[in-house]
Amino acid sequence: AQSVTQLGSHVSVSEGALVLLRCNYSSSVPPYLFWYVQYPNQGLQLLLKYTTGATLVKGINGFEAEFKKSETSFHLTKPSAHMSDAAEYFCAVSDITQGGSEKLVFGKGTKLTVNP
Amino acid sequence: NAGVTQTPKFQVLKTGQSMTLQCAQDMNHNSMYWYRQDPGMGLRLIYYSASEGTTDKGEVPNGYNVSRLNKREFSLRLESAAPSQTSVYFCASRTGGSDQPQHFGDGTRLSIL
Repeated sequence: AQSVTQLGSHVSVSEGALVLLRCNYSSSVPPYLFWYVQYPNQGLQLLLKYTTGATLVKGINGFEAEFKKSETSFHLTKPSAHMSDAAEYFCAVSDITQGGSEKLVFGKGTKLTVNP
Repeated sequence: NAGVTQTPKFQVLKTGQSMTLQCAQDMNHNSMYWYRQDPGMGLRLIYYSASEGTTDKGEVPNGYNVSRLNKREFSLRLESAAPSQTSVYFCASRTGGSDQPQHFGDGTRLSIL
């Protein structure tokens, strides 16, 4: 079964600074990878996904992530943080259930704080 | 353009009471999911339905039951609520294969006293 590790449950950056949120997955076979964002009292929204092809994936709100097979990583970055980026971010990987259906396995999340 | 709609948004129950959480999607998606979110635990899959008429257990199914009423609706039932089931519950849906993202509702915040 797949697993996802997000390093750092809390990350704090200054407005305008680089945002780097780390995600590592366990699969030896290239999986499908997703980053979601959750704003307070809301559901999860898709930021970006990697399926096949280009390993640098661009998403909404200026975020991007790079798939590195050799490092089994899919870190999320944004060059310049904005106050509105304060939220919780979840990395997820596709997996197969015991019943043969497809599901997502989520990391435990990283809460991003942006300081003025 | 509703997407995934969950009702109710908030609920307080007493231990032993029963309740059904409702979820409906208007995107004609085949697959639907129920998750619970607890602080520091991420999202954990409770039950899922790959298509109308089928349901299966996820990672944490104990104490829950589900019904896939039709293609649009997927309900989650707590037969005898316990304090350990205090959580935020999310419903999600997806179309196509595992390369497609899941779409989430806004959640139901459930407290069990």
